[in-house]
Amino acid sequence: ETGVTQTPRHLVMGMTNKKSLKCEQHLGHNAMYWYKQSAKKPLELMFVYNFKEQTENNSVPSRFSPECPNSSHLFLHLHTLQPEDSALYLCASSQDSFTSGYTGELFFGEGSRLTVL
Amino acid sequence: GENVEQHPSTLSVQEGDSAVIKCTYSDSASNYFPWYKQELGKRPQLIIDIRSNVGEKKDQRIAVTLNKTAKHFSLHITETQPEDSAVYFCAASIPGTYKYIFGTGTRLKVLA
Repeated sequence: ETGVTQTPRHLVMGMTNKKSLKCEQHLGHNAMYWYKQSAKKPLELMFVYNFKEQTENNSVPSRFSPECPNSSHLFLHLHTLQPEDSALYLCASSQDSFTSGYTGELFFGEGSRLTVL
Repeated sequence: GENVEQHPSTLSVQEGDSAVIKCTYSDSASNYFPWYKQELGKRPQLIIDIRSNVGEKKDQRIAVTLNKTAKHFSLHITETQPEDSAVYFCAASIPGTYKYIFGTGTRLKVLA
């Protein structure tokens, strides 16, 4: 019944691996997000895409590379990660009205639990 | 920079008691304040929200209050039940952006 699906749910990778996280939203929203959730820290916004265009890169290291081929799909490509990158990565979508300044409700996926060895 | 402070980090209450979680935001331009609930192993989900032109909003056992002058907003849960046990996050939106600034979360435990 979920509107936002993420795969894989769990991922273990070495520091030299290349992997990708995938997110798909079925809600017809115009904005998609990647958040990082670590223990005892607030949800950290990583990237925002609006109508496929990246509108926010929150000083994220280049070893994280987002891709948004269309307004329904969002990827996070991972390369040469560090152990401190281990976290839950949450994808979200919303229907935003930029002209009115209205930021819509965030609909989250279940997350991808990443462990970097 | 913008930030949202949330207290307490953990809260234990007896079933049937009330729970209050408080947040303070830094950007006076923030105009939308949602609250998300995240059960263990689940996704965060919106439970209630409030806009800056409203001082209070209720939805059954849940209420949110906003004090724009003090830049405070609070979540109130009455008659708590075990299924209310979860992590609750407050957030403040920044107009003209697609950003939410989240608090650090409050782990609520309702003891039966």
